[in-house]
Amino acid sequence: QKEVEQNSGPLSVPEGAIASLNCTYSDRVSQSFFWYRQYSGKSPELIMSIYSNGDKEDGRFTAQLNKASQYVSLLIRDSQPSDSATYLCAVFMRFGAGTRLTVKP
Amino acid sequence: DTEVTQTPKHLVMGMTNKKSLKCEQHMGHRAMYWYKQKAKKPPELMFVYSYEKLSINESVPSRFSPECPNSSLLNLHLHALQPEDSALYLCASSQVDGADDEQFFGPGTRLTVL
Repeated sequence: QKEVEQNSGPLSVPEGAIASLNCTYSDRVSQSFFWYRQYSGKSPELIMSIYSNGDKEDGRFTAQLNKASQYVSLLIRDSQPSDSATYLCAVFMRFGAGTRLTVKP
Repeated sequence: DTEVTQTPKHLVMGMTNKKSLKCEQHMGHRAMYWYKQKAKKPPELMFVYSYEKLSINESVPSRFSPECPNSSLLNLHLHALQPEDSALYLCASSQVDGADDEQFFGPGTRLTVL
């Protein structure tokens, strides 16, 4: 069984700070990694995909992948209250438990 | 059209009822998925259809029966469900079959089984 694990949280950061979300996975074969954001009562929304080792930036979001360590992370810069949501890491159609992020004004 | 639609938004059914959930996408995607999500838990994969053929069944009980009539439509037929089947049922699609591709989710159907 392929496992995906996330730091359990909840995570609370002040507005304007950097939020750091982490995910580890057990399957060495996986090639694609995804971060989804899920607001309460809504469906998951894709925010980042990453396929190669290193960093990928998209606006305030940076995904980091280290395949040797089987580790993928998401950094949210200049966090806003609207970023308050559960962030789900997905590998091979399997989701981590999610990290609930609260950004306090 | 860049969205996945699901109907109904909410469904309440008794344990002896038969009902169906519907999902539609017009993005030309060739893979479609059903997930089940319980409160405060992540989505759990149920079924994957690739090019209209069932490619993955995650040992889902037979009271859930998927159907893919064409490349744009995905149904989930429900029969003799249990109260523990109450959950948010999510449909998703991706351009190609699944593990390496970005998935786009519909808004979900919130199912309550009485």
